[in-house]
Amino acid sequence: DAGVIQSPRHEVTEMGQEVTLRCKPISGHDYLFWYRQTMMRGLELLIYFNNNVPIDDSGMPEDRFSAKMPNASFSTLKIQPSEPRDSAVYFCASSTGTSARSSYNEQFFGPGTRLTVL
Amino acid sequence: KNEVEQSPQNLTAQEGEFITINCSYSVGISALHWLQQHPGGGIVSLFMLSSGKKKHGRLIATINIQEKHSSLHITASHPRDSAVYICAVRSATSGSRLTFGEGTQLTVNP
Repeated sequence: DAGVIQSPRHEVTEMGQEVTLRCKPISGHDYLFWYRQTMMRGLELLIYFNNNVPIDDSGMPEDRFSAKMPNASFSTLKIQPSEPRDSAVYFCASSTGTSARSSYNEQFFGPGTRLTVL
Repeated sequence: KNEVEQSPQNLTAQEGEFITINCSYSVGISALHWLQQHPGGGIVSLFMLSSGKKKHGRLIATINIQEKHSSLHITASHPRDSAVYICAVRSATSGSRLTFGEGTQLTVNP
């Protein structure tokens, strides 16, 4: 398996533009997570899905952010309109389940998308 | 006070030294994760544990649920171990949400 795939790897855009980040989870994984990493705040969970359904979006900073998972193999994180403070590395991760008893709770991270909003 | 605190924030060691990174948390948890972030930015999951101890190669992770504390040990450290090590907890009441520590920057010199 190729692991979690994210695109693009780097994105530079101007303030006010729409940005779409893409993620393909590992096949068979039923959980998908979107994280943001900044120097100031470290890693933060934005939203996660289970079986394509959003379960917890309390980390989404504001209405400018939206995430979808139309099927088990694809998710998008959209920012519209983008602002300079959205500049960060956005990670997608997937896992097979989160039961504390399961040995398959490990989250596999994608390489991240480095977003710069000018 | 952060829910997850790591110490030290920065650690420099000589090759071969035994290294310990600590993580304390303030909430009841269902699991604790140790992650490694390479200088290039990629994140790798090292351990997920809810009790006791786990070992993988030169890495050992322990957790004391009563004391709300976990440690990550690296034996016979090597320059390739240089990375940021991040502790993350999944609280007992927050489903699959992870809360992250600020990370420990480890540098191992040859």
